[in-house]
Amino acid sequence: DADVTQTPRNRITKTGKRIMLECSQTKGHDRMYWYRQDPGLGLRLIYYSFDVKDINKGEISDGYSVSRQAQAKFSLSLESAIPNQTALYFCATSDGQGKNIQYFGAGTRLSVL
Amino acid sequence: GQQLNQSPQSMFIQEGEDVSMNCTSSSIFNTWLWYKQDPGEGPVLLIALYKAGELTSNGRLTAQFGITRKDSFLNISASIPSDVGIYFCAGQRGGSNYKLTFGKGTLLTVNP
Repeated sequence: DADVTQTPRNRITKTGKRIMLECSQTKGHDRMYWYRQDPGLGLRLIYYSFDVKDINKGEISDGYSVSRQAQAKFSLSLESAIPNQTALYFCATSDGQGKNIQYFGAGTRLSVL
Repeated sequence: GQQLNQSPQSMFIQEGEDVSMNCTSSSIFNTWLWYKQDPGEGPVLLIALYKAGELTSNGRLTAQFGITRKDSFLNISASIPSDVGIYFCAGQRGGSNYKLTFGKGTLLTVNP
C-alpha cells in the first residue's frame, strides 16, 4: 500500500463548484504539503502544515483552503473552482527532522470545465 | 518565488546513451535533491545531496552537489527505456528547512 494516498485520482468538475482533495499518510510524519503542477512550471507550493494546529500559506494559496484533520490527514479545498485551477495536485509529507526529505503521493488530476 | 534553472527542458536519446542534466541557482542551497516522475505518478526521490562537492551514486545514476552550492548535476549512464520520465531538481536552504524550490523539470525520452 502507498505511504501517501491521494483521493480521488481524477476529478472533473464545473466552474463554481466546491471540491475537496484528500490526502492521508501512514509514514507517521508531522509535516504535510500541497503542491500544484502545471506543464512547464514545475511544482509550486500551495499550503503546508507542520502539525495539526499549524497551517501556513505557500506561494500560490489564493483560491484554496486546507484542513489538517489529524496528523495523518490533510485536505485541500477549492471553494469555487475556476478553469485555471485545472492542474495536477500533489500531497507530500516529511518528518521535519534530520534530512526532512519530502515524499509524494501519486497525485490528483483535476479538470475544471 | 525563486526558481531553479534546470536544463535541458527535454532530451531525446537512444537506448544505451549517457544523459546529463543540471540545475543552477542564483542563491545557495544546503541540500540538493533529484526526483523522477513517471507518467501518472508523483515524484520519487532518486538522490539526496547534503554537502558541497558531494558525489553520490544510485545504480546508473550519479549526482553531484556543486562546490559553489549554487548548482547540481545528474548523470544517467547507459540509458534504458524505463528511464523515460520527468526529472526534477529541488533545492532546500538552511534555516527554512521545509521549503523545496523546484526546477521546471527535464523530460527524458529514450528510443529503444
